[in-house]
Amino acid sequence: GENVEQHPSTLSVQEGDSAVIKCTYSDSASNYFPWYKQELGKRPQLIIDIRSNVGEKKDQRIAVTLNKTAKHFSLHITETQPEDSAVYFCAASASGSARQLTFGSGTQLTVLP
Amino acid sequence: AAGVIQSPRHLIKEKRETATLKCYPIPRHDTVYWYQQGPGQDPQFLISFYEKMQSDKGSIPDRFSAQQFSDYHSELNMSSLELGDSALYFCASSPIGQATEAFFGQGTRLTVV
Repeated sequence: GENVEQHPSTLSVQEGDSAVIKCTYSDSASNYFPWYKQELGKRPQLIIDIRSNVGEKKDQRIAVTLNKTAKHFSLHITETQPEDSAVYFCAASASGSARQLTFGSGTQLTVLP
Repeated sequence: AAGVIQSPRHLIKEKRETATLKCYPIPRHDTVYWYQQGPGQDPQFLISFYEKMQSDKGSIPDRFSAQQFSDYHSELNMSSLELGDSALYFCASSPIGQATEAFFGQGTRLTVV
């Protein structure tokens, strides 16, 4: 089955700086890669996703890049704000959709004011 | 906007008891997913349903069962509860014919004592 590894497990940045979280996946058939933000005790919320036919996707301060050859994808947050502080999960699926997502272990991002 | 509704929000059960968790997807969503998230862990996929039929099965124990009803709501039945079943149980749903995004409910926090 799919295995998703995520690094780092914790990340602290100063407000205004950029944050990068990286994930690798094992199943070359995976073709859908969402990123979720989860605040303490709350539900995961989709912030951005990318499919295997695209190398990069951007939405305002958030961008995701995908390297299919190396089987890794990354989340980039620019101009970080304190409200960006949360746990971020990457995930992968071979269904092309949100079916049967395999999540990474999460990154606790702390943005220091 | 309507969201995924889960009930109850909190549940305390004793070992060996049974529990039933309910999930009401967003209107016009026909796909439901169940995830289990232990403390400090990433969500683990349990099972999903599409059009009232089981579509994918993950790491759901044999002690658990689930179904999706004609109104698309879903129930997760858990028997012979163990201390290790204590976790946040999330239900998510996807729109009809478009499982590209899973919208998560607020979760049910199950505590087994």
